[in-house]
Amino acid sequence: DAGVIQSPRHEVTEMGQEVTLRCKPISGHDYLFWYRQTMMRGLELLIYFNNNVPIDDSGMPEDRFSAKMPNASFSTLKIQPSEPRDSAVYFCASRKGAGGSQPQHFGDGTRLSIL
Amino acid sequence: AQSVAQPEDQVNVAEGNPLTVKCTYSVSGNPYLFWYVQYPNRGLQFLLKYITGDNLVKGSYGFEAEFNKSQTSFHLKKPSALVSDSALYFCAVSSVASGTYKYIFGTGTRLKVLA
Repeated sequence: DAGVIQSPRHEVTEMGQEVTLRCKPISGHDYLFWYRQTMMRGLELLIYFNNNVPIDDSGMPEDRFSAKMPNASFSTLKIQPSEPRDSAVYFCASRKGAGGSQPQHFGDGTRLSIL
Repeated sequence: AQSVAQPEDQVNVAEGNPLTVKCTYSVSGNPYLFWYVQYPNRGLQFLLKYITGDNLVKGSYGFEAEFNKSQTSFHLKKPSALVSDSALYFCAVSSVASGTYKYIFGTGTRLKVLA
């Protein structure tokens, strides 16, 4: 079975540019999570969706960050304008079901470097 | 406040020896506990989980974990370490109190298995 698919795997861009990260969750999973991983702060939950609806975006660091899920098989995380401190690895994860017994499944991430 | 602690940043073990990676937690209500492994340039891979029942949980790649309610711990173990087990390990806990069973992650423990 295909896992969570993220693109691009690597992104290098200059400060001020718009960045769009993409995620395709596992088919049939109804929860989607966006995380950011840095050495300093570890893994941070940015936002999560249930049935394509954003439920909790309290982890989104600033208004420069936005996320959408237009359908069950696609989500985007956008940064506009980007800043060097946004450099990190961004992960998408999906999960089936509301209860806590099912694990989240992670993609391989997008390594973002803002120059 | 809910939290997860992985007290060791790094654990070194000789190949063939048993390994333990420690995790303690503090949550309201009954916890669901998970271990993940992260290899370089990859996403987090699910290893095992504790939901209810037997305190000793078996997972992928020969790993197991012991749930101890009185000590609020969920230590990861393996009887005989392999060099290929060298990676970053994360403990995660969720509960109904964390909101739709969001994960609370530990800071990670880097495991180095020496040949």
